[in-house]
Amino acid sequence: AQSVSQHNHHVILSEAASLELGCNYSYGGTVNLFWYVQYPGQHLQLLLKYFSGDPLVKGIKGFEAEFIKSKFSFNLRKPSVQWSDTAEYFCGGAGGTSYGKLTFGQGTILTVHP
Amino acid sequence: DTGVSQDPRHKITKRGQNVTFRCDPISEHNRLYWYRQTLGQGPEFLTYFQNEAQLEKSRLLSDRFSAERPKGSFSTLEIQRTEQGDSAMYLCASSLDGQPQHFGDGTRLSIL
Repeated sequence: AQSVSQHNHHVILSEAASLELGCNYSYGGTVNLFWYVQYPGQHLQLLLKYFSGDPLVKGIKGFEAEFIKSKFSFNLRKPSVQWSDTAEYFCGGAGGTSYGKLTFGQGTILTVHP
Repeated sequence: DTGVSQDPRHKITKRGQNVTFRCDPISEHNRLYWYRQTLGQGPEFLTYFQNEAQLEKSRLLSDRFSAERPKGSFSTLEIQRTEQGDSAMYLCASSLDGQPQHFGDGTRLSIL
């Protein structure tokens, strides 16, 4: 069965700290991977996506993620977080033949203290 | 940026009542998805439309749930005889083939 899991439910950091949020997936066949962010009171927004090619993908607002096939991982990183990064982050996957339907992880709440 | 629009934003109803939600996708998007999200969880897939055809339904979608996309544009999700367990945020998303999904703000359903 397809599944996506996120390691941390709640991460608390101070501004300028580095961030890494874990995401592991379980899929048979090809998989497209995504990170979405939900700021308080807003809808889910795409941060970045991996379809194929370079396993290191860069997204908006300084975020990046690395697809490591051997570890079934797609961790999200940012070298220096800001207070405005406070949000909930969701990792999602879509199988190559699934019409794009997404399976999401449980989400990670990031709180950044100024 | 018109985005994906959902209506209403919040619906409060008594157990046993029927409710209907509407989703207006981004105009040129041919794919439309419905998800359900409960507190502390990520969104869970409910159903998918390619234009007006409903191509996939999750096992989460009991026979009390029905979704339509009659002209391949807006979509409705109806829940009949609502139950306490139906309380959740219902999300709609749309996309073009092979492109990431754009999500709406969701409809929060509260069952009294």
